[in-house]
Amino acid sequence: DVKVTQSSRYLVKRTGEKVFLECVQDMDHENMFWYRQDPGLGLRLIYFSYDVKMKEKGDIPEGYSVSREKKERFSLILESASTNQTSMYLCASSTPGLADAYEQYFGPGTRLTVT
Amino acid sequence: AQTVTQSQPEMSVQEAETVTLSCTYDTSESDYYLFWYKQPPSRQMILVIRQEAYKQQNATENRFSVNFQKAAKSFSLKISDSQLGDAAMYFCAYRSAWGNSNYQLIWGAGTKLIIKP
Repeated sequence: DVKVTQSSRYLVKRTGEKVFLECVQDMDHENMFWYRQDPGLGLRLIYFSYDVKMKEKGDIPEGYSVSREKKERFSLILESASTNQTSMYLCASSTPGLADAYEQYFGPGTRLTVT
Repeated sequence: AQTVTQSQPEMSVQEAETVTLSCTYDTSESDYYLFWYKQPPSRQMILVIRQEAYKQQNATENRFSVNFQKAAKSFSLKISDSQLGDAAMYFCAYRSAWGNSNYQLIWGAGTKLIIKP
């Protein structure tokens, strides 16, 4: 089974702090994604990566950056946390090519509160 | 740009009965994939069922089936014999089959399904 893990389930940070959210997958997937989930808005893509050191902006990249130094690890960085970044953050991975592989596998999520 | 709409923020159903969750989408593409994902409370999002647009036959997975109406751009999920474990947020998602955008899923806002015992 594919396993996607995230470094924290719950996180509380102060405004202005630099925040790191880590995601690790164990299935050698090329693609990794960071989403933000807010009630009534569904999932919104922040960034995705299709290879090591490669990244592309999603729909809401402002205020975020990412790092992918190793294939299995994809980090989301909030350079200076703000209260409007309080949200649930979901990491996902997938592998391209085959129809079955279009499925995205998700981590448990990190609920971030910025005070 | 593609969009996905789930018009039911919340649905409830009696245990053992059947419920249908609605999803509509907008696209100019002819080849794409549609998905229903389930997010149980405090648990990970998992894939329930997928449908390839070029397949006319509706996908089924045990108690879960879809009604895919390509011309109407509708993709509803039917859950038969509802069980308490079906209580979750359900998300409809679209994926293009073309170009670099094929890495991304376009998501609906979700429908919260409540199962009444």
